[in-house]
Amino acid sequence: DTGVSQDPRHKITKRGQNVTFRCDPISEHNRLYWYRQTLGQGPEFLTYFQNEAQLEKSRLLSDRFSAERPKGSFSTLEIQRTEQGDSAMYLCASSLIRLASNEQFFGPGTRLTVL
Amino acid sequence: SQQGEEDPQALSIQEGENATMNCSYKTSINNLQWYRQNSGRGLVHLILIRSNEREKHSGRLRVTLDTSKKSSSLLITASRAADTASYFCATPPRGPYGGSQGNLIFGKGTKLSVKP
Repeated sequence: DTGVSQDPRHKITKRGQNVTFRCDPISEHNRLYWYRQTLGQGPEFLTYFQNEAQLEKSRLLSDRFSAERPKGSFSTLEIQRTEQGDSAMYLCASSLIRLASNEQFFGPGTRLTVL
Repeated sequence: SQQGEEDPQALSIQEGENATMNCSYKTSINNLQWYRQNSGRGLVHLILIRSNEREKHSGRLRVTLDTSKKSSSLLITASRAADTASYFCATPPRGPYGGSQGNLIFGKGTKLSVKP
């Protein structure tokens, strides 16, 4: 257990529905990241926050995806109008800023299945 | 897009043997990291090597980095069945001012199977 928790662990939804995932990072970590992982691939970066500011978004993050970290602690990732191609494992990670280092601590992930 | 390419894609060995995995990357980096992922413990950071280091050890792990070839290798010595997992290299791309960007770019991973 890395100290990063995600909820729910599994989500099954029908195409067109909205889903929201939550991530609770390690409490003193000021950076929080979202990644997506499909079968047989490595994690792909979606977005990250430093405190409450969203600093970077991947081109993978279409306008159906939105992420928030309102108080600089937990974060939510919402997917609107889900599509079958959104089926994947959604991973959250957190880190503490250090010079020339970016070790990230990952949560167990939320597995999304879109029917 | 994936930055790194691990080689081989899959590796099967007997307990006690050594396992070597390689990773190539594309852009300039400040450091390179190796992660392990299995179904029981998720994605876990193993070791980080900085761009000015050539070799680093941690327990049974040995990592090398060749920035001229943009490649790294991970050696696991005296493997155990519990080492069965997927292994990924990951790099934070270097930003415009030389610091590391926030995100990590992962390779596709090497799936290691250690048979008892």
